[in-house]
Amino acid sequence: QVQLVESGGGVVQPGGSLRLSCAASGFTFSSYGMHWVRQAPGKGLEWVAFIRYDGSNKYYADSVKGRFTISRDNSKSTLYLQMNSLRPEDTAVYYCAKEYPYYFDYWGQGTLVTVSS
Amino acid sequence: QSALTQPASVSGSPGQSITISCTGTSSDVGGHNYVSWYQQRPGKAPKLMIYDVSNRPSGVSDRFSGSKSGNTASLTISGLQAEDEADYYCSSYTSSSTRVFGGGTKLTVL
Repeated sequence: QVQLVESGGGVVQPGGSLRLSCAASGFTFSSYGMHWVRQAPGKGLEWVAFIRYDGSNKYYADSVKGRFTISRDNSKSTLYLQMNSLRPEDTAVYYCAKEYPYYFDYWGQGTLVTVSS
Repeated sequence: QSALTQPASVSGSPGQSITISCTGTSSDVGGHNYVSWYQQRPGKAPKLMIYDVSNRPSGVSDRFSGSKSGNTASLTISGLQAEDEADYYCSSYTSSSTRVFGGGTKLTVL
């Protein structure tokens, strides 16, 4: 069965960096696009970024463009999110989600990122 | 990249039907038949309930249905059950190849 397991969350100071990982299994990772979606405490879902199956194209929400970078290693079936210049408003649970055009058919359980001094 | 507009809350009694609206623009909801709906219970990851406006994944009750008219999509839940109480989010593909979510709707079963 499809499994997505996020890791790498934690507490970081404003202006700091963090890299999230999402280990995928149960499907042919290299054949599907992948997303990051976040949810601030008590708030709604916010789409963050998308990467095509082969990494050829990447798309970002305006709120993270220029600060976050999505990438993937198909040989390791792993998705990444490099987060730089973090702000308190980036505090959220970050989910990775598998794309089945054009919706999210499987989600991980999320990893919490807290940006605070 | 403005969020799609959903009512903050809806409620209904067991057995009744409710509808949640999701309003966007011609660049997202109105321009593509790629609207999906997600159910989220507290502390859990979202679960896909409807995709491509009106299609149900296997395993989702046929009490859930979706539709679209112009820039507004809708999720209807018929025969409300206590287990349907959750937050519901719509999402759409956009003309910029990005995705956008609605603000979410809290469904209360009275």
